[in-house]
Amino acid sequence: GAGVSQSPSNKVTEKGKDVELRCDPISGHTALYWYRQSLGQGLEFLIYFQGNSAPDKSGLPSDRFSAERTGGSVSTLTIQRTQQEDSAVYLCASSPRERDEQYFGPGTRLTVT
Amino acid sequence: GEDVEQSLFLSVREGDSSVINCTYTDSSSTYLYWYKQEPGAGLQLLTYIFSNMDMKQDQRLTVLLNKKDKHLSLRIADTQTGDSAIYFCAESKGTSGTYKYIFGTGTRLKVLA
Repeated sequence: GAGVSQSPSNKVTEKGKDVELRCDPISGHTALYWYRQSLGQGLEFLIYFQGNSAPDKSGLPSDRFSAERTGGSVSTLTIQRTQQEDSAVYLCASSPRERDEQYFGPGTRLTVT
Repeated sequence: GEDVEQSLFLSVREGDSSVINCTYTDSSSTYLYWYKQEPGAGLQLLTYIFSNMDMKQDQRLTVLLNKKDKHLSLRIADTQTGDSAIYFCAESKGTSGTYKYIFGTGTRLKVLA
């Protein structure tokens, strides 16, 4: 079946603009996660959803970052007033339930110029 | 501490065994995972071990867990050039609604022909 998909695959934006990143999880997966991977760094946890609610938003780096999930499926991560330090690969993952293994999407590479 | 620690690089010759080490943060973590990331791709789950196990073997992969020292290792037997990738260890901890996944920085494995 289809895996986790993310769009766009690449995004170049100017500093100060807003961006929206989209994640389509595997159908039926209740848990969804967002991570950020900067060059040469590990994965930085951002937020996770169980259904439509986000029990843990502690990883969001600033109030410029927000995320939502509707219908227990698609999620969008929004970054307002982008800064150069936001440049990274943003990875989305889903799992059938909390604590199950995660299935990752290919990521969105964001470049802020 | 809060960091899952891994060495950054490992280089081995084709046919040799590779051992990738990881120190995690919380002895009460229930699941420990190894993920593989090939260039330009998302993360792919390789294997995982439940915290009440000491060892798990899956074809060429052997996972060893030392809970006392919070040490996890991944051994790849007969390493092939296709094993060249970044390997991440990760732990999951918490209770329902508060699960947190913490990933290491990743170990870049280079297999020399």
